[in-house]
Amino acid sequence: GAVVSQHPSRVICKSGTSVKIECRSLDFQATTMFWYRQFPKQSLMLMATSNEGSKATYEQGVEKDKFLINHASLTLSTLTVTSAHPEDSSFYICSARDNTVEGAFFGQGTRLTVV
Amino acid sequence: RKEVEQDPGPFNVPEGATVAFNCTYSNSASQSFFWYRQDCRKEPKLLMSVYSSGNEDGRFTAQLNRASQYISLLIRDSKLSDSATYLCVVNQGGKLIFGQGTELSVKP
Repeated sequence: GAVVSQHPSRVICKSGTSVKIECRSLDFQATTMFWYRQFPKQSLMLMATSNEGSKATYEQGVEKDKFLINHASLTLSTLTVTSAHPEDSSFYICSARDNTVEGAFFGQGTRLTVV
Repeated sequence: RKEVEQDPGPFNVPEGATVAFNCTYSNSASQSFFWYRQDCRKEPKLLMSVYSSGNEDGRFTAQLNRASQYISLLIRDSKLSDSATYLCVVNQGGKLIFGQGTELSVKP
């Protein structure tokens, strides 16, 4: 099946710094990728839809200037958490759609801890 | 009202038990439906798609009732390895919307 690779799997950063998370589709081209955030014991919340070659579409309540999304190629989308604060600590997961199957494939997730 | 709502958990069952999960969704225009499984601190993985005609994959049976906007998952002869959180997922215009998940713990 299709594979989505997300990196890094875990990152600890100081408050005020920025963190970049990469999401790659390894064996298919993904014109659309999705970024989710999951707090402990809660469900995945969609943050934004990343479209190759155009601006991302953000869900209500998600700050686009804080969570910068770039989808420069058909196989790579990046999420940059700018000026991270402890409340940004969460599990961030990307997913990508393969047009040949329903559903989506997920990256391994990135556990971000801001200290 | 949440877009996708699931049974509150956790479900604690003995091995071999049959367990059923329920899910409702609010947007009648939702296009497709899935059950995902998520193990602790891991990414979700697709368990199965859900169709109005019902579909079965081994011990797992999924059912969709569009009129009631209701989705179900039945697990028969549960195994220890079935312990996980089960997520009801709805496709709305290409976006996957997740329920809060139901935690299942299968005990020996």
